[in-house]
Amino acid sequence: EDKVVQSPLSLVVHEGDTVTLNCSYEVTNFRSLLWYKQEKKAPTFLFMLTSSGIEKKSGRLSSILDKKELFSILNITATQTGDSAIYLCAVALDNAGNMLTFGGGTRLMVKP
Amino acid sequence: DTEVTQTPKHLVMGMTNKKSLKCEQHMGHRAMYWYKQKAKKPPELMFVYSYEKLSINESVPSRFSPECPNSSLLNLHLHALQPEDSALYLCASSQEGAGSANTGELFFGEGSRLTVL
Repeated sequence: EDKVVQSPLSLVVHEGDTVTLNCSYEVTNFRSLLWYKQEKKAPTFLFMLTSSGIEKKSGRLSSILDKKELFSILNITATQTGDSAIYLCAVALDNAGNMLTFGGGTRLMVKP
Repeated sequence: DTEVTQTPKHLVMGMTNKKSLKCEQHMGHRAMYWYKQKAKKPPELMFVYSYEKLSINESVPSRFSPECPNSSLLNLHLHALQPEDSALYLCASSQEGAGSANTGELFFGEGSRLTVL
């Protein structure tokens, strides 16, 4: 059975801290790994990773994939209260259209 | 702003009611999805339409009935729901359907929050 596991389940930090969110997966026919941020409603897309070792960056956020060890990390530096959200990791599989298998999410709270 | 539009944003219905959730996208995407999300849980896939045909039904009870009138619209018809069906229902779309070279990004709508009394 395909599985995506995120850790930690939840995290409380203060503004300015750096956080690292983890996502490990055990799936057949891996195609890509995606990170989404979900505040109150729709998940919003952050990154899509298909190749190992290539860091993707967007402002204070960055992410990297390790296809040998089957995990990805999402880093957020200099956190702000607006970063408070649930961060979802999902894996897209070959031969499965664009179905995503989601991890359970990490709930991040950034305190002022 | 999301380019996937869902209506209504909130819906309260009784167990004997019949209602529908609607989803619309004008990005020319050929695959559309319904996900169900309970509180503090990740989204769970319900249905996938690819090129207007139902390609995946994740063993969803028949009280949920999807419909794809055209490539831009996706409906979810609801009938005889149970209180445990209360959840956020998310619609999503992607550029291509099953078997394509697309790498998997889904665009989500803001969801319809359903409460079944």
